[in-house]
Amino acid sequence: SQQGEEDPQALSIQEGENATMNCSYKTSINNLQWYRQNSGRGLVHLILIRSNEREKHSGRLRVTLDTSKKSSSLLITASRAADTASYFCATDDRKGGSEKLVFGKGTKLTVNP
Amino acid sequence: KAGVTQTPRYLIKTRGQQVTLSCSPISGHRSVSWYQQTPGQGLQFLFEYFSETQRNKGNFPGRFSGRQFSNSRSEMNVSTLELGDSALYLCASSLEGSLHQPQHFGDGTRLSIL
Repeated sequence: SQQGEEDPQALSIQEGENATMNCSYKTSINNLQWYRQNSGRGLVHLILIRSNEREKHSGRLRVTLDTSKKSSSLLITASRAADTASYFCATDDRKGGSEKLVFGKGTKLTVNP
Repeated sequence: KAGVTQTPRYLIKTRGQQVTLSCSPISGHRSVSWYQQTPGQGLQFLFEYFSETQRNKGNFPGRFSGRQFSNSRSEMNVSTLELGDSALYLCASSLEGSLHQPQHFGDGTRLSIL
């Protein structure tokens, strides 16, 4: 079952602009993570935000979490061509006695030079 | 510190065959998780191993199995391959488990079934 759903599915911007990606999820969580995946490569962890946190920063990345709306956003400021990648949110799922990370389908970001 | 290493990077098999994929986690990491990534279904959790024991399992048929060795290296086996098993198989390691800590991913094994 898909827990997190990213929006938009694809985003194309110019270098220097900001990029915002959103993630919505269905059930309560303990934490939410954002990952980046370059084409043909593995995922790279970006930020983990806990359910009692509202905002977290890491360099040019800013993540917000609104547990009342069951949503999170990832903001990349002053984007670069190297930011071109797919971005995924992942939430912890503890159903049926099994614990796992559940990923959304991702947002494909293209940053044009 | 070396990252997560997956071998082989590419594999071509035919229907009915079986395949074994290998994953070497980051040194000191005891948890290894496996995921299947396809364009249609996205990233789906297969299973997690911790200290040589399967700790969590996703919703895949019994044809998908795995194991973990005492040095935390893990293997994943798929038997009686089907066309739908064509995918990128990713493994990820973490110190203690996937839900509370960042996962460190390998670059995956691209499996194609003919």
